[in-house]
Amino acid sequence: SAVISQKPSRDICQRGTSLTIQCQVDSQVTMMFWYRQQPGQSLTLIATANQGSEATYESGFVIDKFPISRPNLTFSTLTVSNMSPEDSSIYLCSVVGDNYGYTFGSGTRLTVV
Amino acid sequence: AQSVTQLDSHVSVSEGTPVLLRCNYSSSYSPSLFWYVQHPNKGLQLLLKYTSAATLVKGINGFEAEFKKSETSFHLTKPSAHMSDAAEYFCVVSYFNKFYFGSGTKLNVKP
Repeated sequence: SAVISQKPSRDICQRGTSLTIQCQVDSQVTMMFWYRQQPGQSLTLIATANQGSEATYESGFVIDKFPISRPNLTFSTLTVSNMSPEDSSIYLCSVVGDNYGYTFGSGTRLTVV
Repeated sequence: AQSVTQLDSHVSVSEGTPVLLRCNYSSSYSPSLFWYVQHPNKGLQLLLKYTSAATLVKGINGFEAEFKKSETSFHLTKPSAHMSDAAEYFCVVSYFNKFYFGSGTKLNVKP
């Protein structure tokens, strides 16, 4: 399976600031996704990161709040903008490759104070 | 629309007894279904997946699940629980490679 490096692994941020999370994959992947896991809850899909075009967002998520970049087939970033305590969550990237299926990153644990 | 319902938020069993974690799905298409496990403060680990091959799917650590189209179910079972099985389990339906997670079932294993 692919190896995903997600950075940072955790952070504590002030409300009103923004944090950019990076997802680096060791091989080219067809599809990349971003998920959120709020405390004590299940995972929710935020968006599909599309290479060379704008991300596709799920219901309830918007680009102004969660801008996503995907400049190539091995890298993507998710920014959590203008953070509030309600954004405290674990954020995970996931990839799908032609040869190995699905892999999740280890996640970024974000605390907003 | 794709969705997954995990019928029990918490399940408690004694070590050595069988485990049953229930999952029902809703999908407009032939689904791909997965079970993931998440141990405390750990990442997600794939237990098993169903992708329209055999309806009885065997996974890691002695877990298996049976796809029943007539019942739209994909329940996870294990004949004998081990203390190390205590974790949260997620049933997942996949649609165009996007994952939709159930709300999770916390499994407690008593000595």
